[in-house]
Amino acid sequence: GDSVTQMEGPVTLSEEAFLTINCTYTATGYPSLFWYVQYPGEGLQLLLKATKADDKGSNKGFEATYRKETTSFHLEKGSVQVSDSAVYFCALSDRLGTSGSARQLTFGSGTQLTVLP
Amino acid sequence: EAQVTQNPRYLITVTGKKLTVTCSQNMNHEYMSWYRQDPGLGLRQIYYSMNVEVTDKGDVPEGYKVSRKEKRNFPLILESPSPNQTSLYFCASTRGPRAEQYFGPGTRLTVT
Repeated sequence: GDSVTQMEGPVTLSEEAFLTINCTYTATGYPSLFWYVQYPGEGLQLLLKATKADDKGSNKGFEATYRKETTSFHLEKGSVQVSDSAVYFCALSDRLGTSGSARQLTFGSGTQLTVLP
Repeated sequence: EAQVTQNPRYLITVTGKKLTVTCSQNMNHEYMSWYRQDPGLGLRQIYYSMNVEVTDKGDVPEGYKVSRKEKRNFPLILESPSPNQTSLYFCASTRGPRAEQYFGPGTRLTVT
């Protein structure tokens, strides 16, 4: 079945440092890939997405490129801020479920990021 | 404002006492899901629904029931809660399986 493997956390960085959070996946079809962010005490919200190979998703200075050859979707940001402290989830959406219907999202385990001033 | 609402936000209950967590969305989305979030496990899908009266099991459906009688509502029912169902629960909706999912604020459930 589908699965997502994320870099284990927690990750602690100083403000303005470079961020990489690794994400690799296995899927039977051609999934769409997502990064969601969860700020303390809140639900998840979409950060960026890519729907086909070589697509680059970007938002709020974050980027991730859909790499089919390495089955990866690593999240990067050139200069993190204290306000980026959150939990980041990599996820994929594939079409097939247990009954062949739309299954929606499979999530990684999440990576806690703390940015220190 | 487009949103997914859940109630209650916090609930402490005892083993075996039936409970329902409500979920409602105002975006006319066909697809809705329930997830539970546990430390180190990320989010795992409990049930999902593709439309009114159409539901299917996710990864961890045991001990849960759902219903979808109206497009906007997707309640999660625990007929006989047990301590291993203590978790943070999220409802989500989307217009399609590859589109962005919109999440509710979460319901923190404790079963003693």
